[in-house]
Amino acid sequence: GQSLEQPSEVTAVEGAIVQINCTYQTSGFYGLSWYQQHDGGAPTFLSYNALDGLEETGRFSSFLSRSDSYGYLLLQELQMKDSASYFCAGNTGGFKTIFGAGTRLFVKA
Amino acid sequence: DADVTQTPRNRITKTGKRIMLECSQTKGHDRMYWYRQDPGLGLRLIYYSFDVKDINKGEISDGYSVSRQAQAKFSLSLESAIPNQTALYFCATSDAGSSYNEQFFGPGTRLTVL
Repeated sequence: GQSLEQPSEVTAVEGAIVQINCTYQTSGFYGLSWYQQHDGGAPTFLSYNALDGLEETGRFSSFLSRSDSYGYLLLQELQMKDSASYFCAGNTGGFKTIFGAGTRLFVKA
Repeated sequence: DADVTQTPRNRITKTGKRIMLECSQTKGHDRMYWYRQDPGLGLRLIYYSFDVKDINKGEISDGYSVSRQAQAKFSLSLESAIPNQTALYFCATSDAGSSYNEQFFGPGTRLTVL
């Protein structure tokens, strides 16, 4: 089967660093994506890892280890506006994308 | 103007009714998708289409059908709506030339089946 597991909730303080983990079981896996969704909004793309290692985009970084079927999203210098849900998503054969259930991030002042 | 639009944005209907949700895009993308989102379950793929002549079932296609009327239009139908189809529905597009399949989502349609 194909599934991605991530924590349901994470809480962190403004200005801190938070890591959201994602483990997956997918066949024909081509890469791991991350999406952000604010309450009442649509998911928006954040990052993609096709190869092992770290990808950095401003305050956000994403990491993939294909041998461990594991990835994470790292958010630095947290801001209140980062409070949202974050989804990892596995790209599989045929360009289907399977999403995890999402991690709700609460940023406290 | 929004690149991916969905109509209606909200809909309340009764069990047994036929419902159509419409999606249009101006991004020129070939690939289009329909997802439903339920609390705690993330986004689940209903159907996807890689061009006008290509339609594929996703994870949860039972009870749904789709029509790709043109490159820019992809409609989702519930032939006989039931209460457990109450959910938030998203349409998305992606560029066939994108190696990482970044998807662009519409604003969503909130459907309630009574």
